[in-house]
Amino acid sequence: EDKVVQSPLSLVVHEGDTVTLNCSYEVTNFRSLLWYKQEKKAPTFLFMLTSSGIEKKSGRLSSILDKKELFSILNITATQTGDSAVYLCAVGETSGSRLTFGEGTQLTVNP
Amino acid sequence: NAGVMQNPRHLVRRRGQEARLRCSPMKGHSHVYWYRQLPEEGLKFMVYLQKENIIDESGMPKERFSAEFPKEGPSILRIQQVVRGDSAAYFCASSPVGRNTGELFFGEGSRLTVL
Repeated sequence: EDKVVQSPLSLVVHEGDTVTLNCSYEVTNFRSLLWYKQEKKAPTFLFMLTSSGIEKKSGRLSSILDKKELFSILNITATQTGDSAVYLCAVGETSGSRLTFGEGTQLTVNP
Repeated sequence: NAGVMQNPRHLVRRRGQEARLRCSPMKGHSHVYWYRQLPEEGLKFMVYLQKENIIDESGMPKERFSAEFPKEGPSILRIQQVVRGDSAAYFCASSPVGRNTGELFFGEGSRLTVL
């Protein structure tokens, strides 16, 4: 069975700190890894990664995938209170239609 | 351009009643996915539908749960004879392509509470 494990499960930081969120996975036929941000409502898409070693950036957020070691990290620099949310990692397979999600990392950024 | 619309946002049912959750995908999207999120857990895939077809229902419980996406109207997730363990947030997502490996657009969820 496919498995996605995120760590830490929760994290509390101060504004301005840099955080790194981890996602490791076991999937039979890997196709892509996705990061979502969930703020008490609809998860919103952040990144989709399919190739190892290529960093994707969007403002203060960046993410990279390591397909050999089967993990991805999501970095957030200069955190702001608006970054407080649950960050979800999901993997998709080449066969089938499902995304398998991890439990999420609850990030709290205090002023 | 309206996003994925789900209703009701909150639903309270007593044990044994039926729950119907509705989802209208984004305009131009013809693929719908339902996920369930239990408290303190991640999103769990339930079912993937296209118009008038169930493509993958491998995540659906064998009994009491059903889903449809008719030619006209929203997708419906139906839970018969609800039990307390069905209390969860049910999220619908849509996409314009067929494979569930790209970006999904999520609705805000329907929160079911079973008393």
